Amino acid sequence: AQSVAQPEDQVNVAEGNPLTVKCTYSVSGNPYLFWYVQYPNRGLQFLLKYITGDNLVKGSYGFEAEFNKSQTSFHLKKPSALVRDSALYFCAVRDIGNNDMRFGAGTRLTVKP
Amino acid sequence: NAGVMQNPRHLVRRRGQEARLRCSPMKGHSHVYWYRQLPEEGLKFMVYLQKENIIDESGMPKERFSAEFPKEGPSILRIQQVVRGDSAAYFCASSATSGSRTGELFFGEGSRLTVL
Repeated sequence: AQSVAQPEDQVNVAEGNPLTVKCTYSVSGNPYLFWYVQYPNRGLQFLLKYITGDNLVKGSYGFEAEFNKSQTSFHLKKPSALVRDSALYFCAVRDIGNNDMRFGAGTRLTVKP
Repeated sequence: NAGVMQNPRHLVRRRGQEARLRCSPMKGHSHVYWYRQLPEEGLKFMVYLQKENIIDESGMPKERFSAEFPKEGPSILRIQQVVRGDSAAYFCASSATSGSRTGELFFGEGSRLTVL
């Protein structure tokens, strides 16, 4: 069965500092990995995805994520955090044989001025 | 190019009443997913539908919950005899094809159900 884990409920960083939001996954085949962001009282917005190819994926709003097969991880990163990046971030996975996309529990990112 | 449309955005029901949540997928999308989000929690998969067919309802509670996606009109998530524990945000998402596991889902703004 496919699953993702986001080990941190909360991540706090100062504006201008780099940020990392962690995600590990478990699938039976090749993983298709996704990151979404959710602002208060809104739906989820797609940030980026890894399907195949280059392990470093670039997405919206300056975010990127690195796929690491040996560590089964897909951490979200940004070189310089902004206050407006404060939101709830979800990692998600799909693999062959499953219809749905499975989401992690979410990590609340707070960027302080 | 309208995105995924959900209504109502907010719904208040008393225990024992019925709740109906509607979702119109993005134009050209024929696959709909429903997720439930409890406060400060992640999204839990409920059901996946194509036009006129339920493909996977493994996440749906066995009783009181049902979903449909008719040939014409929006997808509907129906909760009968609501209880306080049904209070949550219900999100609908759509995709162009299910066969492509690589495709991202596009989410609506959610319907927030409060059961008094």
